[in-house]
Amino acid sequence: AQSVTQPDIHITVSEGASLELRCNYSYGATPYLFWYVQSPGQGLQLLLKYFSGDTLVQGIKGFEAEFKRSQSSFNLRKPSVHWSDAAEYFCAVGASTSYGKLTFGQGTILTVHP
Amino acid sequence: DTGVSQDPRHKITKRGQNVTFRCDPISEHNRLYWYRQTLGQGPEFLTYFQNEAQLEKSRLLSDRFSAERPKGSFSTLEIQRTEQGDSAMYLCASSSQGWDEKLFFGSGTQLSVL
Repeated sequence: AQSVTQPDIHITVSEGASLELRCNYSYGATPYLFWYVQSPGQGLQLLLKYFSGDTLVQGIKGFEAEFKRSQSSFNLRKPSVHWSDAAEYFCAVGASTSYGKLTFGQGTILTVHP
Repeated sequence: DTGVSQDPRHKITKRGQNVTFRCDPISEHNRLYWYRQTLGQGPEFLTYFQNEAQLEKSRLLSDRFSAERPKGSFSTLEIQRTEQGDSAMYLCASSSQGWDEKLFFGSGTQLSVL
């Protein structure tokens, strides 16, 4: 069975600092990996996805993630955090039969200090 | 494109009552998904439809839960004889089937069972 682990429940950074959110997955085949962001009262929004090819993927809002098969990781990064990035971030792995059937991690809450 | 709409936004009910939620997907999307999210957890897959056919159901979806998507448009999720453990955010998402499938989530229905 596939699973996703986000080791950090809550991360606090200062505005302008760099950010890395960790994600480890378990999946028997080639994984389809996603990062979503959820703001209070808002639906989940896709930041980026990895299906194949280049292991460094670029997403919206200046985010990027790197797929490392050897470490079973798909960490999310941003070089300079903005106050508007405060939200909850979810890593997810998709099934090959349906990319929309996702297994999510428990999420990482990001707090940004001015 | 008006996005994925869910109704109601909030539902408070007493244990044992039946509740029904509605999801209106993005009009051209043929796939529709239901997820459940409890506090502090990531969303969990419940079921999905391709057009009007329900293709997969999670073991999380007990016999008290039923979902329909008549005519392949909107979908309803009904919970019979609600229990306090059913309290959660119920999320709907839609997508177009394909190699680049991307989920668009609604804002969810928050269910509280007293």
